[in-house]
Amino acid sequence: GESVGLHLPTLSVQEGDNSIINCAYSNSASDYFIWYKQESGKGPQFIIDIRSNMDKRQGQRVTVLLNKTVKHLSLQIAATQPGDSAVYFCAETKGGVQGAQKLVFGQGTRLTINP
Amino acid sequence: GAVVSQHPSRVICKSGTSVKIECRSLDFQATTMFWYRQFPKQSLMLMATSNEGSKATYEQGVEKDKFLINHASLTLSTLTVTSAHPEDSSFYICSARGDRGWWGANVLTFGAGSRLTVL
Repeated sequence: GESVGLHLPTLSVQEGDNSIINCAYSNSASDYFIWYKQESGKGPQFIIDIRSNMDKRQGQRVTVLLNKTVKHLSLQIAATQPGDSAVYFCAETKGGVQGAQKLVFGQGTRLTINP
Repeated sequence: GAVVSQHPSRVICKSGTSVKIECRSLDFQATTMFWYRQFPKQSLMLMATSNEGSKATYEQGVEKDKFLINHASLTLSTLTVTSAHPEDSSFYICSARGDRGWWGANVLTFGAGSRLTVL
């Protein structure tokens, strides 16, 4: 079936540097994308989301970019901190904001921040 | 913000026994809840969608009789793993959606997860 996947399973960056986590999705019907952060032994935490009618959205220290042409999603974290170490998942769904809630999760990227 | 509580956070049981995991929305009414399963170093896989007052909708490949879901109230859904076996050992996570009506209401709030170990 269709799925959301990630290119890199692990990513290490120096504290203070910017990090970019990538995600490729295959379902062109998906219209809503979400990035989650999961720390060890915990449930996913919402980071940022974006709708398919947008190509960029910024939050606090995070930016999500959406390229529908190549079905690519990325999460940029600025000035990484030790607390950013976690596994990051992208997730997709279709049906609009009020629509279907079934999320398809990518495989995840483990981000490690080096001191 | 929305809070979803799961209980227990960890449970160890013997093979053949049944285990119940609770998922509660603490400060909002959750008309829909979702149950996921996560194996070590893997992604979350949706098991079923639980709707208050009706039968759960299971994803393909998920055994309904094995994973019993009950969503009897707007704040509580339960997942019962029946006749558990070692291969059922996993991290089970629930999420909930409330009818909030603003952009971003599509965002699910996840519980902290329940780690099941079947001996």
